Parts: sequence; structure tokens; C-alpha cells
Amino acid sequence: DQQVKQNSPSLSVQEGRISILNCDYTNSMFDYFLWYKKYPAEGPTFLISISSIKDKNEDGRFTVFLNKSAKHLSLHIVPSQPGDSAVYFCAASGTAGIYNNAGNMLTFGGGTRLMVKP
Amino acid sequence: ETGVTQTPRHLVMGMTNKKSLKCEQHLGHNAMYWYKQSAKKPLELMFVYSLEERVENNSVPSRFSPECPNSSHLFLHLHTLQPEDSALYLCASSQTWGSYEQYFGPGTRLTVT
Repeated sequence: DQQVKQNSPSLSVQEGRISILNCDYTNSMFDYFLWYKKYPAEGPTFLISISSIKDKNEDGRFTVFLNKSAKHLSLHIVPSQPGDSAVYFCAASGTAGIYNNAGNMLTFGGGTRLMVKP
Repeated sequence: ETGVTQTPRHLVMGMTNKKSLKCEQHLGHNAMYWYKQSAKKPLELMFVYSLEERVENNSVPSRFSPECPNSSHLFLHLHTLQPEDSALYLCASSQTWGSYEQYFGPGTRLTVT
């Protein structure tokens, strides 16, 4: 069973408007969340992250919101640009309590393909 | 070269072949990872190496054999694969195994015929 889910496989948005990408998780032990962006023929690149002690983190046009009670996070892109067209992956990580070791493992969602139309 | 590189970018192999995927990171990181991305499925972690020691093997079949000769290089040796092993294989690295942010290579698109 997937612990991190991105229920929308694709999203189409007009340039200049807001893009909202959603992610849900089931494991309450996750305490750090990341968004990665992936262009075709390239590996995922880190975009923005948020710790569970926060409910919002902003970096330029990108803002991630975390709702711990709902086990939900979202990525907002404002304003959306055609160059933002890519697949966006949500990932979650927990602390040593889950994995019996000191490392941090990332559990990824299935991705959402964002298309920003000019 | 900068970042994380992977070779080859594309590979077609028969079920009886033996091949190897190579990953190299130029970031001075101490942890390296192999992920598998099958069609319409999330990235699945396969192996983790920290300071050249394998620290995680995520129940991967033995037909996949990783090797980490030093902290900059990671290999995935493939032997007697099945068609369902066709996928995008991604390598990643992070500063340490405790680092959340991982840096990915472009991947190797593997097709098993």
C-alpha cells in the first residue's frame, strides 16, 4: 500500500495562474517532506521542503503547505510559467524511529504531470 | 562533469545477458542510492550505500547486484533479468545518509527483451 499518494496524475494550468499540486500520506511518523521536479530525460531535482514543525515554507514562486492533522501537503506555484511544465514528485521521510537506523529514506508519491499553457 | 552522471542512458538487453549500470557523483557526497521507476509507479528505493557500505537492501531480487568501490562510484550489475524489470533506473547521492535532500542522475532507461 502506498504511503505517499498523489491522486492527480496530471494538471493543466494557464500561464500566470496558480498551480496547486496535492499530496497525501498515511504514515504519521513522517516528519519531513520534499517536492522534486522532473523534466523528461533528466533526473528529479529538489525543489522545496518542509519540516513537520512548520505549516508553510516559501521560496520565491513556490510555497509548500503542510496540514499534519489531515496528513496532506500541497505545492503552490504562483505565477505559473511554461517552464514549470514537468512532473512533480512529493516525497516523505521519517526519523530513525521508523527505519531502525540513522539514515533518512525517502518515500515517493507517483507524481503529477503539470502542464502550463502559454 | 558536475552533479550525478549515469551511463548508459539507454540499454536494451536480453534475459540471458549480463550488463552493468554505472553512476558517478562529483559532489563529494558520502551516500549513494539506486532507485527503480516502473511505468505509472512511484520511485522505489533499491539500495543505499553510506561510505561505501551497503546499509539498506529493500528486498531486491538477487539478479540485481550493487557495487560501491568508492564513495564517488556506484554500479548496478544485472544478470538474468525479466521483462518486468524494464524500467528507469535512477542513481542519487546525498551529503550523508542522514541528509534529506538527494541529488539524482538522469537515469538509465532499461528494456529487457
